[in-house]
Amino acid sequence: DAEITQSPRHKITETGRQVTLACHQTWNHNNMFWYRQDLGHGLRLIHYSYGVQDTNKGEVSDGYSVSRSNTEDLPLTLESAASSQTSVYFCASSESPGGAREQYFGPGTRLTVT
Amino acid sequence: KNQVEQSPQSLIILEGKNCTLQCNYTVSPFSNLRWYKQDTGRGPVSLTIMTFSENTKSNGRYTATLDADTKQSSLHITASQLSDSASYICVVRANAGNMLTFGGGTRLMVKP
Repeated sequence: DAEITQSPRHKITETGRQVTLACHQTWNHNNMFWYRQDLGHGLRLIHYSYGVQDTNKGEVSDGYSVSRSNTEDLPLTLESAASSQTSVYFCASSESPGGAREQYFGPGTRLTVT
Repeated sequence: KNQVEQSPQSLIILEGKNCTLQCNYTVSPFSNLRWYKQDTGRGPVSLTIMTFSENTKSNGRYTATLDADTKQSSLHITASQLSDSASYICVVRANAGNMLTFGGGTRLMVKP
């Protein structure tokens, strides 16, 4: 069965460190998304990609970057981790660029920045 | 600014009872509205999707309604089960820009 996986599931890091969260999907979807989820907020879009070599900034992109070298993977990098980036991060993929088709979410990565 | 507001923020009900969750949105122009279920420690999973012309859609014990005129949707859960304990998220897509607006969710707890 096709799936979307994230690793690690839990990560603790120190302020100022560079951190990379992995996302891998076997749906063969061109469209992939990264969100963060915080108490009191809905899911907020960080970055998204509509295909290989394509990346776009979302609503809360400051301090984050992504790269898309193949269809299956969209790693999210925190260049210099800050305490404000403590959150749960979800990766998603979809047949369509926006919400016309369902977005399939990964299980999430809980990141703590100390 | 596009917004999606959900109420209540949290809800506790007894197993077997019914409940209704509310979603109000200001997203314009409207394209579709989706309800997701998110179990603790998991990613959201789609329950239903509704377009402008649909006002009711069911998925088992889950029934979603949409009033596009008043920009309101509800999710009704019938004969609740312990496994219904989760957060329920309302997500609205605008017809322009391809982006989604997520509500903050309603956390439902079903007690035996």
